[in-house]
Amino acid sequence: AQSVTQLGSHVSVSEGALVLLRCNYSSSVPPYLFWYVQYPNQGLQLLLKYTTGATLVKGINGFEAEFKKSETSFHLTKPSAHMSDAAEYFCAVSEKQGAQKLVFGQGTRLTINP
Amino acid sequence: DTAVSQTPKYLVTQMGNDKSIKCEQNLGHDTMYWYKQDSKKFLKIMFSYNNKELIINETVPNRFSPKSPDKAHLNLHINSLELGDSAVYFCASSQDPYRSYEQYFGPGTRLTVT
Repeated sequence: AQSVTQLGSHVSVSEGALVLLRCNYSSSVPPYLFWYVQYPNQGLQLLLKYTTGATLVKGINGFEAEFKKSETSFHLTKPSAHMSDAAEYFCAVSEKQGAQKLVFGQGTRLTINP
Repeated sequence: DTAVSQTPKYLVTQMGNDKSIKCEQNLGHDTMYWYKQDSKKFLKIMFSYNNKELIINETVPNRFSPKSPDKAHLNLHINSLELGDSAVYFCASSQDPYRSYEQYFGPGTRLTVT
């Protein structure tokens, strides 16, 4: 069975600093990988996804993530944090076979300090 | 213009009652989902319908019954509500359930069972 682990339920960075949110997955074969963002009292919005091809994926709002098969990781980064980045971030996976069923990590709350 | 909408946004009810949550998408998607987000923000898929056919049915109590009258609507009916059903329920839709298309989420319905 697939599982996703996000290291750190809460990450706090200063405005302008590097954002690094960690995600590791467990799956028998490399799955599809996603990062979603949830702003307070809202639904989830896709930031980026990896399916095949280039392992460095660029998303919206300046975020990017790199798929590392050897490390079973898909960490999310942003070079310079902005106050508007404060939100809950979810890493998710789905199998390449069968109906797409997102399996989510427990989420990481990102706080930006002025 | 809302892509995925849910009603109601908030639902407060007593144990033992029966309630329904409605979801509609105007994206022309074939697939719709229900997710449950618990108090610790953990998200888990419950059901998925593709063209009104149930394709994903996770281990959910049979008090929960999804109904899809057409491709654009997926409702969730809950019988004999329990305290543990308190959560935020998200509806989502995607273009195709067998490919890595983005899932678009609704704003959520916060259910509180007292």
